[in-house]
Amino acid sequence: AQSVTQLGSHVSVSEGALVLLRCNYSSSVPPYLFWYVQYPNQGLQLLLKYTSAATLVKGINGFEAEFKKSETSFHLTKPSAHMSDAAEYFCAVSDKDDKIIFGKGTRLHILP
Amino acid sequence: GAGVSQSPSNKVTEKGKDVELRCDPISGHTALYWYRQRLGQGLEFLIYFQGNSAPDKSGLPSDRFSAERTGESVSTLTIQRTQQEDSAVYLCASSLVDIRGYTFGSGTRLTVV
Repeated sequence: AQSVTQLGSHVSVSEGALVLLRCNYSSSVPPYLFWYVQYPNQGLQLLLKYTSAATLVKGINGFEAEFKKSETSFHLTKPSAHMSDAAEYFCAVSDKDDKIIFGKGTRLHILP
Repeated sequence: GAGVSQSPSNKVTEKGKDVELRCDPISGHTALYWYRQRLGQGLEFLIYFQGNSAPDKSGLPSDRFSAERTGESVSTLTIQRTQQEDSAVYLCASSLVDIRGYTFGSGTRLTVV
């Protein structure tokens, strides 16, 4: 069965600094991988997704993630953090049956 | 509609009462999912509908939970004899099966007192 592990339930970065949110997955078949963002008091929004095309995936708001099969990772990055990036970020995986399994989430705090 | 619509947005109920939560998916989306998000936790899969196939109920936590969907339209999640541990945000999502990635509704915040 597929699963997702997000390292760090809380991550703090300074405004303008690199954002790195870690995600490792487990899947018995080539996975589809996702990052979702949840802003305070809002629903979940798809940030980006990997579906076996290019391993470097670009998403909205300047975020990107790289699929590394050898490391079973799909870490999310952004070169320069902005105050508006403060939110909860969820990594997720699905395989052939289209059901998506979510990680426990990482809350990103941006320090002024 | 333009997005996934859930109602009510907030629901406060007394312990032991039954509640019904409604989800209107995006028109044309064949797949519909229910998730639960407890305070400070990730999303817990509950149930998945795909077209006219039998639903995947593997995530329902107890027999107090049930869900229905008529065709490819509205779905209702019912929780019978609510307990305080049922307090959570219940999220609905829909998708086209050949386009990976869901569209989520804003959720129903359920509080059992």
